[in-house]
Amino acid sequence: EAGVAQSPRYKIIEKRQSVAFWCNPISGHATLYWYQQILGQGPKLLIQFQNNGVVDDSQLPKDRFSAERLKGVDSTLKIQPAKLEDSAVYLCASSLSRVGRKETQYFGPGTRLLVL
Amino acid sequence: ILNVEQSPQSLHVQEGDSTNFTCSFPSSNFYALHWYRWETAKSPEALFVMTLNGDEKKKGRISATLNTKEGYSYLYIKGSQPEDSATYLCAFSDGGSQGNLIFGKGTKLSVKP
Repeated sequence: EAGVAQSPRYKIIEKRQSVAFWCNPISGHATLYWYQQILGQGPKLLIQFQNNGVVDDSQLPKDRFSAERLKGVDSTLKIQPAKLEDSAVYLCASSLSRVGRKETQYFGPGTRLLVL
Repeated sequence: ILNVEQSPQSLHVQEGDSTNFTCSFPSSNFYALHWYRWETAKSPEALFVMTLNGDEKKKGRISATLNTKEGYSYLYIKGSQPEDSATYLCAFSDGGSQGNLIFGKGTKLSVKP
């Protein structure tokens, strides 16, 4: 079974530039998550999709971050414009159903973003 | 604000040593506790999902216990090997409407050959 795919793996940009990350979840997984992991911290949920609808985006900085999940499969996360504090690893995860509380989330390898 | 604490922050052991780390979480409104292993440049890998007080889970040389009444879980590694070197993350979910995972900062384990 193929895992969660993410691209790019690494990205370096200057502040105020825009950047986009892509995620392809495990086939058949209804729920998709984007996490931000800042160095020294645990992963923090940014947004959760159930199929192509947003379930929770309460921690997404909506003034600069946006995300979409077209056709309930792939997803993109965009930052526009980027700030220095956005330097982090962006992890995508998916799970089979919406009941994520005790269901395993499967993670991609992440995109390491450095904002200069 | 829900808080998940992990200790120690980092750990250096010799090959063959056994080791353990702690995850502390809110004991009220508990639903599940997850353990993940995250090796550098790889995807975080799920180890265990634990839901019941007193749960014990085992996967090879790695095992975990859960105490929901006092709000802690232990992860044990028996006979550490260099390939066990990774960051071990725990994540807590409560019975809230979204049931999202709240992660600790992780314990970084380094095993020297």
